[in-house]
Amino acid sequence: DTEVTQTPKHLVMGMTNKKSLKCEQHMGHRAMYWYKQKAKKPPELMFVYSYEKLSINESVPSRFSPECPNSSLLNLHLHALQPEDSALYLCASSRFMGTSGYEQYFGPGTRLTVT
Amino acid sequence: GQQVMQIPQYQHVQEGEDFTTYCNSSTTLSNIQWYKQRPGGHPVFLIQLVKSGEVKKQKRLTFQFGEAKKNSSLHITATQTTDVGTYFCAGPHRGSTLGRLYFGRGTQLTVWP
Repeated sequence: DTEVTQTPKHLVMGMTNKKSLKCEQHMGHRAMYWYKQKAKKPPELMFVYSYEKLSINESVPSRFSPECPNSSLLNLHLHALQPEDSALYLCASSRFMGTSGYEQYFGPGTRLTVT
Repeated sequence: GQQVMQIPQYQHVQEGEDFTTYCNSSTTLSNIQWYKQRPGGHPVFLIQLVKSGEVKKQKRLTFQFGEAKKNSSLHITATQTTDVGTYFCAGPHRGSTLGRLYFGRGTQLTVWP
């Protein structure tokens, strides 16, 4: 199984709503990532978890709150978002995290629209 | 900001023509990875190059890593409509925080039948 799943596929939320994005992988990968991707742009790293611990936070606003309940699951909690936060949110995983360069497997993404 | 430069940003070719995209980094890369993202899709890993001067082939795709490990290229021979998508290079910089992968801006390939 080389699949990363994400739910929901699409999400429309108001600026006062609270919602969560979910990501799951069963490849035994110990590094998981959240990326944000705007149209015609490359993915931008938001957070990295390694062995269920937050390793990197790329100065992401606190209205985005990641959570890693276990080695297979990654959540992104959203609260009080702004319209400019509308984007494709991608989850990815890799065997490990390191400069030796383990390839990342991306999920299909959640297309988020903030109204 | 962008740590890896990629050109061209767009490329339109007739089916059967060749296509090349180039990546350049100002600093040495530990390795370089290539991803393809189809329209409406998500990035899919294609290949990783690790060694200086490495060349790898996947059918019609040829990947190269420069001798100084600062540049890379992806060449597609005789493009097909199935090659349509955006091709990203990505690599960690030496000394960068573990897990941080820098993506190039991507080259969007359009293939006319």
